[in-house]
Amino acid sequence: EVQLVQSGAEVKKPGESLQISCRASGYSFTTYWIGWVRQMPGKGLEWMGIIYPGDSDTRYSPSFQGQVTISADKSITTAYLRWSSLKSSDTAMYYCARRGSGWYEDYWGQGTLVTVSS
Amino acid sequence: QSALTQPASVSGSPGQSITISCTGTSSDVGGYKYVSWYQQHPGKAPKLLIYDVTNRPSGVPHRFSGSKSGNTASLTISGLQAEDEADYYCTSFITSSALEVFGGGTKLTVL
Repeated sequence: EVQLVQSGAEVKKPGESLQISCRASGYSFTTYWIGWVRQMPGKGLEWMGIIYPGDSDTRYSPSFQGQVTISADKSITTAYLRWSSLKSSDTAMYYCARRGSGWYEDYWGQGTLVTVSS
Repeated sequence: QSALTQPASVSGSPGQSITISCTGTSSDVGGYKYVSWYQQHPGKAPKLLIYDVTNRPSGVPHRFSGSKSGNTASLTISGLQAEDEADYYCTSFITSSALEVFGGGTKLTVL
């Protein structure tokens, strides 16, 4: 069974760094892309970027380029989303999702709520 | 890249059919057969409903169907049920970044 299990909710202060994770199981981790999606409170879904764990090829949506870093560790089948300096506007729910055999996401994590407040 | 355009809300009564549109450009919706649709209930992760414009993953009821004409894709839900009340999002592949872009989302209310 394919599963994506995300790390727990985080409460941080502006300027702090943060890394959240998405642990994959039930499939070949290195042969499917994994992406990250942001959902701000009461708002829609936004694509942040995507990584191919097999060779770490990473693509970012223009709005998120330089704002976050996406990485993956093949040895523990886990993808990461990292901020070096959080802003209050980063407060949102973040989902990881596996890209299926085409241009669609067939499995999703449960979401990680990130709250940034002074 | 700009988000795809969806109506903010639609509504229908149980048993009726509704259609949600998703309008893009020739660089995304109109240029490829890579439109997908997701359902999101409050507090839950999105769920894939339709991929490659018309295909349903196993387990998705047949009353959910997808289509496309020109730069506009559509999701039709026939025989509306109370549990269909949710937010619906379309996505499309975009050539400029080899990524995808979401529509703004549509809130479906079952009256």
